[in-house]
Amino acid sequence: DAKTTQPNSMESNEEEPVHLPCNHSTISGTDYIHWYRQLPSQGPEYVIHGLTSNVNNRMASLAIAEDRKSSTLILHRATLRDAAVYYCILRDYSGGSNYKLTFGKGTLLTVNP
Amino acid sequence: NAGVMQNPRHLVRRRGQEARLRCSPMKGHSHVYWYRQLPEEGLKFMVYLQKENIIDESGMPKERFSAEFPKEGPSILRIQQVVRGDSAAYFCASSPPGVHNSPLHFGNGTRLTVT
Repeated sequence: DAKTTQPNSMESNEEEPVHLPCNHSTISGTDYIHWYRQLPSQGPEYVIHGLTSNVNNRMASLAIAEDRKSSTLILHRATLRDAAVYYCILRDYSGGSNYKLTFGKGTLLTVNP
Repeated sequence: NAGVMQNPRHLVRRRGQEARLRCSPMKGHSHVYWYRQLPEEGLKFMVYLQKENIIDESGMPKERFSAEFPKEGPSILRIQQVVRGDSAAYFCASSPPGVHNSPLHFGNGTRLTVT
């Protein structure tokens, strides 16, 4: 699986937007960009995914660079419950039936009240 | 629709005992993944199963660990003769068949402590 690079940690204030960056310069044409987060003492939780176009859902927005070598997860108004480790993951659909996710170290997001 | 259920939530075993971790996937999901998270480390893939078949076990330790997902019942991750280094959180995830883009749904894990 292609690798991603994320900052180890970021800090935000409550009610402010948060932009979590991810670099994936070796992304292939069949890689989708997935974001998951893991709250303390819980399993990972799916946030959003995309291929080329920007995506929005009730949790977040995903902005994908035109060359697809980077992406940004946007939380529009951070809350204390958004404090978690955020993982940017490339998921390959080029063939076969192996759809596993390979987690890196992620970004630890701290939200200040 | 209930989420992925893992039990027990916490499991304590003495060195040399066996640990059995259970995972019931979401309704309609026939793909199961097991991950391990050692203290202060990231999530590591262990094994990917479909009903009655192991598809990818590239992350499973060669000895003492086994996994199954029978036609009926939950998926089981079995660790024989546990050692202290097996102490970790074990997470199970599931996804539906035939939907390549479907996200994985994770349970809240089983925390294994080996004393």
